[in-house]
Amino acid sequence: DTGVSQNPRHKITKRGQNVTFRCDPISEHNRLYWYRQTLGQGPEFLTYFQNEAQLEKSRLLSDRFSAERPKGSFSTLEIQRTEQGDSAMYLCASSGRGQGYEQYFGPGTRLTVT
Amino acid sequence: GDSVTQMEGPVTLSEEAFLTINCTYTATGYPSLFWYVQYPGEGLQLLLKATKADDKGSNKGFEATYRKETTSFHLEKGSVQVSDSAVYFCALRGTGRRALTFGSGTRLQVQP
Repeated sequence: DTGVSQNPRHKITKRGQNVTFRCDPISEHNRLYWYRQTLGQGPEFLTYFQNEAQLEKSRLLSDRFSAERPKGSFSTLEIQRTEQGDSAMYLCASSGRGQGYEQYFGPGTRLTVT
Repeated sequence: GDSVTQMEGPVTLSEEAFLTINCTYTATGYPSLFWYVQYPGEGLQLLLKATKADDKGSNKGFEATYRKETTSFHLEKGSVQVSDSAVYFCALRGTGRRALTFGSGTRLQVQP
């Protein structure tokens, strides 16, 4: 499978714990995006990388959230001191010049904070 | 800021019926417009796109035309199948931006 992959697919954590998600983009894609999707809503943009540089962050990305993309390959999204309001599906997408920079999405990581 | 408004669902149709899902947008400049589909248990997939006014995107029997005068990008299909049952999202990418702005999605249920 050469699509975008995300791990874990599901994460249940207690309020106040830290969690980290991983995204592996399509190998030739230099752009990587994180979105959050809550039940019954469309995805909302969180942040965007071009290679290893984080070029844009949404207002939704509070200080408890941090994202990295070392060496411009996989990316991690960490949430510190989780809150119940963080419960959502976290989606990763990647894009590259060869496909007109269209965004290809992974299956998502569903986070439940109890 | 940019925004996308879709008709609320669920939309329930019989097989072979005609489908329209309305989508309107607010954006400055000349955004690119997209329809994504999310089948049960799967990730978002790009269905079709249009990058300038009067462009028609098409794929798998679905079509949508970029109408700048009405700021709309309605999704249509002449004859739906049970396998088209999914959630459909309209989205835009604003001028000079990388991020997508999505609507809230419309669930389509096609009955045999």
